[in-house]
Amino acid sequence: AQSVTQLGSHVSVSEGALVLLRCNYSSSVPPYLFWYVQYPNQGLQLLLKYTSAATLVKGINGFEAEFKKSETSFHLTKPSAHMSDAAEYFCAVNPGAGGTSYGKLTFGQGTILTVHP
Amino acid sequence: DAMVIQNPRYQVTQFGKPVTLSCSQTLNHNVMYWYQQKSSQAPKLLFHYYDKDFNNEADTPDNFQSRRPNTSFCFLDIRSPGLGDAAMYLCATSRVTQGSKEQYFGPGTRLTVT
Repeated sequence: AQSVTQLGSHVSVSEGALVLLRCNYSSSVPPYLFWYVQYPNQGLQLLLKYTSAATLVKGINGFEAEFKKSETSFHLTKPSAHMSDAAEYFCAVNPGAGGTSYGKLTFGQGTILTVHP
Repeated sequence: DAMVIQNPRYQVTQFGKPVTLSCSQTLNHNVMYWYQQKSSQAPKLLFHYYDKDFNNEADTPDNFQSRRPNTSFCFLDIRSPGLGDAAMYLCATSRVTQGSKEQYFGPGTRLTVT
């Protein structure tokens, strides 16, 4: 069974500073990995996904994430935070080609990002 | 634009009064999901439809039911809402093909139980 751990339920950065949101996963097979963002009273929006192609994945809004199999990590980064990045971020995993799910996702507990002026 | 639509965005119901939330999609995806999300928590999967096949999560209360009359629409019925059912309800869809398993979410329905 797969699981996801997001280190830090709250992360606070200054505008213009580096954003680093941590995600570690466990999976018995090479997984598909996703980062979603959720703004208040909104649904989840896909930021980026890893599907066994390039290990460095670029997403929307200047975010990127690097898949590191040796560390079982998929951390989300952005070089320079903007006020509009303040939201909750969820890492999610789905078993890859060896899985039997129908696209079911296992979510981490989420990280709330606060951006200070 | 193709999308997932949820109506209403905000729903208020009384304790014990049945309520139905709706979801529609123009993506023609074969899988539809319903999640419950409480404040500051991750979404919790209630059930999903793979085409017409209904799949209930083991810990989903019997109070929650779902219907999918066609590919585009899916409904969440709460037969006797309790105060603990107040939450955001999210509908999502996916097309389960090789190499593509991301889910597309609607904006959610915020349910209040009075």
